[in-house]
Amino acid sequence: DTGVSQNPRHKITKRGQNVTFRCDPISEHNRLYWYRQTLGQGPEFLTYFQNEAQLEKSRLLSDRFSAERPKGSFSTLEIQRTEQGDSAMYLCASSSGTGRAYEQYFGPGTRLTVT
Amino acid sequence: GNSVTQMEGPVTLSEEAFLTINCTYTATGYPSLFWYVQYPGEGLQLLLKATKADDKGSNKGFEATYRKETTSFHLEKGSVQVSDSAVYFCALNVIGNQFYFGTGTSLTVIP
Repeated sequence: DTGVSQNPRHKITKRGQNVTFRCDPISEHNRLYWYRQTLGQGPEFLTYFQNEAQLEKSRLLSDRFSAERPKGSFSTLEIQRTEQGDSAMYLCASSSGTGRAYEQYFGPGTRLTVT
Repeated sequence: GNSVTQMEGPVTLSEEAFLTINCTYTATGYPSLFWYVQYPGEGLQLLLKATKADDKGSNKGFEATYRKETTSFHLEKGSVQVSDSAVYFCALNVIGNQFYFGTGTSLTVIP
């Protein structure tokens, strides 16, 4: 068990460019979540997958955002036509989806800076 | 709806002082409650959890009791150390879907 990994750890991009982040969950976890965290705030839910199916999307996830989880393993989060307001830490978490507690295990995050 | 309200920081304590970070919640269902900790430069780590009323979660000297009557899950530690300096997040989860987090409380422990 190597934990949840995210790449890249940091991304600086110019406004209007597209960016893509990757998340590799804990291998036996079938649920994968994306959150966004801005400075001084707690993480805010964006979307989650059970296996390859995207089951819920937050209203925070505008049409410039898209997430995929092909084959139910790793996931990607793409932001098109980035805006300065997209600057944040993007967190990925995974869960086994069993047991009542549904603990989520978080990756280190990808910090996005849009200039 | 579902939401978490936690004590605003920052909190500064001397080593060996007693810590309380307040957390209250609202939930549409019967939530599980969590405390996560974020050390400088690191990701969120689960600190402790409780899944039903009157449960006490504990880890690394930290404790929190699920109080349904007051909708609270306050975090406590009897004697803090410098290494406890971090940001602490209270969170709830209903039926295993998204987590709802509080805004975080920054704790600094000085020697």
